[in-house]
Amino acid sequence: QQQVKQSPQSLIVQKGGIPIINCAYENTAFDYFPWYQQFPGKGPALLIAIRPDVSEKKEGRFTISFNKSAKQFSLHIMDSQPGDSATYFCAASGDSNYQLIWGAGTKLIIKP
Amino acid sequence: ETGVTQSPTHLIKTRGQQVTLRCSSQSGHNTVSWYQQALGQGPQFIFQYYREEENGRGNFPPRFSGLQFPNYSSELNVNALELDDSALYLCASSLGRGRDTQYFGPGTRLTVL
Repeated sequence: QQQVKQSPQSLIVQKGGIPIINCAYENTAFDYFPWYQQFPGKGPALLIAIRPDVSEKKEGRFTISFNKSAKQFSLHIMDSQPGDSATYFCAASGDSNYQLIWGAGTKLIIKP
Repeated sequence: ETGVTQSPTHLIKTRGQQVTLRCSSQSGHNTVSWYQQALGQGPQFIFQYYREEENGRGNFPPRFSGLQFPNYSSELNVNALELDDSALYLCASSLGRGRDTQYFGPGTRLTVL
């Protein structure tokens, strides 16, 4: 019940396309859902986060869609660029147990 | 404002040995969290320190221990190293405990032979 399942494991998209990465969770106590971006040799960096009181959040070219009833959330990257090539992680936590539970990651490649 | 730094960058140890990894928090941050990231996996929470006290622990055995110092820098100690301890160890600092935004260092790559 503590797991966060992330898919796909890897994704290749042409420049300008819209990669979509999906995550699913089971623990209904989760109420904070961040996405992290990790480049090789670097630590993860917070990209965008959402709470379940909204169904969508946009920050620049990055959008989180959240479906509370389905217990799913996804990351969309608009107008993707080769510089977006990285590994993306979703995560989740609940107020009573704030430790982040991470997905396994999606390796994204944007082809020029 | 300096970011989170970790040392060493890489480390090779043999099974049964002990290791100490170090982390310097971002300026002004009083909370440090440590994570283990196995190859191809997401990070796993080890523990968090807030103002020198352990503030939460993940599912790791007691041979994983930590310290936070008055300047909020931190150490992760692992005793009796096992082959499965080979991983990237990440330190993250934040302004407060709990779910305040965590800023990650580049990690220490530990290889246990």
